[in-house]
Amino acid sequence: NAGVTQTPKFRVLKTGQSMTLLCAQDMNHEYMYWYRQDPGMGLRLIHYSVGEGTTAKGEVPDGYNVSRLKKQNFLLGLESAAPSQTSVYFCASSDLQADYGYTFGSGTRLTVV
Amino acid sequence: GENVEQHPSTLSVQEGDSAVIKCTYSDSASNYFPWYKQELGKGPQLIIDIRSNVGEKKDQRIAVTLNKTAKHFSLHITETQPEDSAVYFCAPRNTGTASKLTFGTGTRLQVTL
Repeated sequence: NAGVTQTPKFRVLKTGQSMTLLCAQDMNHEYMYWYRQDPGMGLRLIHYSVGEGTTAKGEVPDGYNVSRLKKQNFLLGLESAAPSQTSVYFCASSDLQADYGYTFGSGTRLTVV
Repeated sequence: GENVEQHPSTLSVQEGDSAVIKCTYSDSASNYFPWYKQELGKGPQLIIDIRSNVGEKKDQRIAVTLNKTAKHFSLHITETQPEDSAVYFCAPRNTGTASKLTFGTGTRLQVTL
């Protein structure tokens, strides 16, 4: 049972380049989330999804887009990367009411130069 | 939205001592109170949670206590060990209306030999 898998684990982008981060979960969870983590700022929610085909904005959505075409996958896209998007990105999933908490992936460390 | 504060931001204890981390929240309707542990290079992991109808919950060396009147809950770690060194996050939530967690800014615990 893999849980939540994020790919890639590391990436270096040049300013203006685009990329997609992939999150996959095998727990049949309804809810999925993308967070970014910066030093001293904890975890901030970028976008989230409460089910297949649905997405919603979180606390810091600017510069990112997401898609949830399949229940098990949640994609995070950066159309034109900026140095301010250098961060560690975490995907998480939870059951319908999150009563059992979130399951997190191991993270993607992204550097934009 | 929920305002969440954690204290202290850093905590250093000697092996075998106890550690206490406090989380203060603003939404009086919050009814789910989890604590997450994040080890270096990994995603956060749920370690213990409590619901509003319970005042205290224990799991071996860790416990969580809740004071709904004062709107705070605390993580207690007894007989600390070096492997307890990590960053700890609280994430209170109203399961009736909020589909996402708001994380505190984290507490870095260092257990020294």
